[in-house]
Amino acid sequence: AQKITQTQPGMFVQEKEAVTLDCTYDTSDQSYGLFWYKQPSSGEMIFLIYQGSYDEQNATEGRYSLNFQKARKSANLVISASQLGDSAMYFCVGGDTGRRALTFGSGTRLQVQP
Amino acid sequence: NAGVTQTPKFQVLKTGQSMTLQCAQDMNHNSMYWYRQDPGMGLRLIYYSASEGTTDKGEVPNGYNVSRLNKREFSLRLESAAPSQTSVYFCASSPGVYFSYEQYFGPGTRLTVT
Repeated sequence: AQKITQTQPGMFVQEKEAVTLDCTYDTSDQSYGLFWYKQPSSGEMIFLIYQGSYDEQNATEGRYSLNFQKARKSANLVISASQLGDSAMYFCVGGDTGRRALTFGSGTRLQVQP
Repeated sequence: NAGVTQTPKFQVLKTGQSMTLQCAQDMNHNSMYWYRQDPGMGLRLIYYSASEGTTDKGEVPNGYNVSRLNKREFSLRLESAAPSQTSVYFCASSPGVYFSYEQYFGPGTRLTVT
């Protein structure tokens, strides 16, 4: 089973600046995936980005990039050029490929200030 | 194309009452999931179904039952509601029978048990 740890309950960032949301994971599996989901105040869950354990390149999706450091067991989300609409709860999520379920971290609430 | 729909959006129950949360997806996905989200926490898996006719327990199955009625529908039943089941319930689906990192979530059902 995986354990996902997000140590930042809340973060503030100025509009147009970059922000890094921290995530560490612990798993004994060799094959796994790490993802980030965004949950706006409206409540829906929005998939952002995925990194497989065997991927050598860090994943990027538009303004989102995942800083994957396997030796440190970290999978930090970097949001470049923050926008007001980025204000939301962000969850780091782990998935073992041997299971069909995801393990969620406790979340980081990001507030983008104008 | 509605994606994943859940009914009801809100529900208040008295302790001991029963109810069924409904979930349907129109994306022809094989796997479906039920999660609960408690305040300030990430989602925890209750049950999942990898295909029509199969269901498996997740992390927190006690007090719940599920039915995969057909490929589209996956319902969650609380037989005797308890205050500890006050939570937001999310249904999700994913295309494959096996592990899928990208899950599509419904809007959630906010349940309060008094």
